[in-house]
Amino acid sequence: EVQLLESGGGLVQPGGSLRLSCAASGFTFRNFAMTWVRQAPGKGLDWVSTINGGGGGTYYADSVKGRFTISRDNSKNTLYLQMNSLRVEDTAVYYCARVLASLSAGAYDYWGQGTLVTVSS
Amino acid sequence: QSALTQPASVSGSPGQSITISCTGTSSDVGAYNYVSWYQQHPGKAPKLMIYDVTFRPSGISDRFSGSKSGNTASLTISGLLAEDEAHYYCSSYGSSITWVFGGGTKLTVL
Repeated sequence: EVQLLESGGGLVQPGGSLRLSCAASGFTFRNFAMTWVRQAPGKGLDWVSTINGGGGGTYYADSVKGRFTISRDNSKNTLYLQMNSLRVEDTAVYYCARVLASLSAGAYDYWGQGTLVTVSS
Repeated sequence: QSALTQPASVSGSPGQSITISCTGTSSDVGAYNYVSWYQQHPGKAPKLMIYDVTFRPSGISDRFSGSKSGNTASLTISGLLAEDEAHYYCSSYGSSITWVFGGGTKLTVL
């Protein structure tokens, strides 16, 4: 059974940093691209970042480029999102998700339960 | 990358069919057959319903179907059930290797 379990969310002040983790199980992790999607309270889905299976290709939304870094450790079956220079508008539930088949298709077939990041003073 | 445009809400009675539109541009929806649709119930993670415009993942009912014409993609749900009441989001691959979601549509089953 495919499982994705996020952790690392919490309350942080503006300008602060946080690292999210997503532990994967039930599939061959290195064979799949992975993505982070966020959802601000009461709002819609917002694509954040995607990384290919080998970790050498990373892609970011303009809103987080230069502040967030996606990475993965295929030996630990874990996906990460390092978030620096956090802003109030980064407050959201952050989901990790598995990319189905082609990276370009951007279809996410398994999702974690999400972890809440709150940026507030 | 601007969000794709979806109606804020749609409604239908049990047994009826509804269609949710998703309008983008010639740089995203119109350029690629990479449109996906997600269903999200309150407090839950999104669920993939349609990918690559028309394909259903394993286990998704054939009451859900997708299509595209020009810069607009559509999700049709036939034989509405009470359990279909949820938010629905479209997404598309866009330019410069980015992905964009629609603003979401709340489906109410009357």
